[in-house]
Amino acid sequence: RKEVEQDPGPFNVPEGATVAFNCTYSNSASQSFFWYRQDCRKEPKLLMSVYSSGNEDGRFTAQLNRASQYISLLIRDSKLSDSATYLCVVIRSGTASKLTFGTGTRLQVTL
Amino acid sequence: NAGVTQTPKFQVLKTGQSMTLQCAQDMNHEYMSWYRQDPGMGLRLIHYSVGAGITDQGEVPNGYNVSRSTTEDFPLRLLSAAPSQTSVYFCASSYSLGGLAGYYEQYFGPGTRLTVT
Repeated sequence: RKEVEQDPGPFNVPEGATVAFNCTYSNSASQSFFWYRQDCRKEPKLLMSVYSSGNEDGRFTAQLNRASQYISLLIRDSKLSDSATYLCVVIRSGTASKLTFGTGTRLQVTL
Repeated sequence: NAGVTQTPKFQVLKTGQSMTLQCAQDMNHEYMSWYRQDPGMGLRLIHYSVGAGITDQGEVPNGYNVSRSTTEDFPLRLLSAAPSQTSVYFCASSYSLGGLAGYYEQYFGPGTRLTVT
């Protein structure tokens, strides 16, 4: 079983829709969590960190569920420019120099 | 401020050839790392460095060497290229206060697309 798993998608949604992705992690010692965004044939860029209490940044909301070992990303009012691959990143306790990436979930927002 | 730069952008090698992928950053970041990205596999850590003169192995280090003689540069050497090393390679850098590099935003270079025939 992979340490970090994501549904690869693609998720095809119309503009204005709300879409949610989940990411599950297998190691209960995982400590920190992030969402990165990667546009086609480009480098990944940090979208947001995921805090235990949940956090929001504009149209984006990230949640952490430690009991079920998953994190989620909710995008409201989707824009065409949100089309990208969203990468889940996990850091295990004691390995703060090693990031583990999920394979990514592809989102395509259409008119 | 150029951020993280990588050269070359594209490279084709024959099996058995060696080459060095270059990575440089101008943000004075202590932490630098190399990843490879393959379809269905996500980004996998090859090697990383927490400062000049210090390197360590990641998840998939075999067939690759690194060195960190300066804060700015972190080259990745392929010793004897194999078709299995066909991939997109990303270099990244970040702060590393208290050795906690992973908690800081990782800044990625634009990548090198390598094909080994």
